[in-house]
Amino acid sequence: GIQVEQSPPDLILQEGANSTLRCNFSDSVNNLQWFHQNPWGQLINLFYIPSGTKQNGRLSATTVATERYSLLYISSSQTTDSGVYFCAVDGPQRGTASKLTFGTGTRLQVTL
Amino acid sequence: SAVISQKPSRDICQRGTSLTIQCQVDSQVTMMFWYRQQPGQSLTLIATANQGSEATYESGFVIDKFPISRPNLTFSTLTVSNMSPEDSSIYLCSVRQAAYEQYFGPGTRLTVT
Repeated sequence: GIQVEQSPPDLILQEGANSTLRCNFSDSVNNLQWFHQNPWGQLINLFYIPSGTKQNGRLSATTVATERYSLLYISSSQTTDSGVYFCAVDGPQRGTASKLTFGTGTRLQVTL
Repeated sequence: SAVISQKPSRDICQRGTSLTIQCQVDSQVTMMFWYRQQPGQSLTLIATANQGSEATYESGFVIDKFPISRPNLTFSTLTVSNMSPEDSSIYLCSVRQAAYEQYFGPGTRLTVT
């Protein structure tokens, strides 16, 4: 099946700093999503981004499908950004055979 | 986006017993999935819950251990049977609506003693 690798595995930032999280995948994808898992375990959808660039406030994401990677940018980080960030991909199968495969995650801690 | 609820939100169970987790969605969805997240790990797909037919299980997961029901397009259950401490995990229900974007429920945090 498709392999998904995320880097770095752990990241500690001071509040206000910027960061870039990377997701590499081993095959073509129909879907790529970024999630934030907060300290209470809830998975929050950040971006649905199989290709291109999107921005939402302090967060933005870029997926270069032809080179099989995606980047999540966090600017002006806040303590509420702490948690685990997951990249998940779906492909190359389509329809009912398609399923979301998660990366190993990046654990982010933002300190004061 | 779909609103997904799960019951119970957490439970502590004894070894050898079974627990049934419920997942309710506020709209009809084509595909429903069950995931497991072991402590400190990523999410792993257990099975796809198919409406009106048997679930499709991933490698390493079997129906006897994780029976799944999906009686309609808004509801599914996952049972964790004959539990052992290794089953202590967060179990998450997920749905897919249009195209490929998926949404997740709040999870059920299970501890087996």
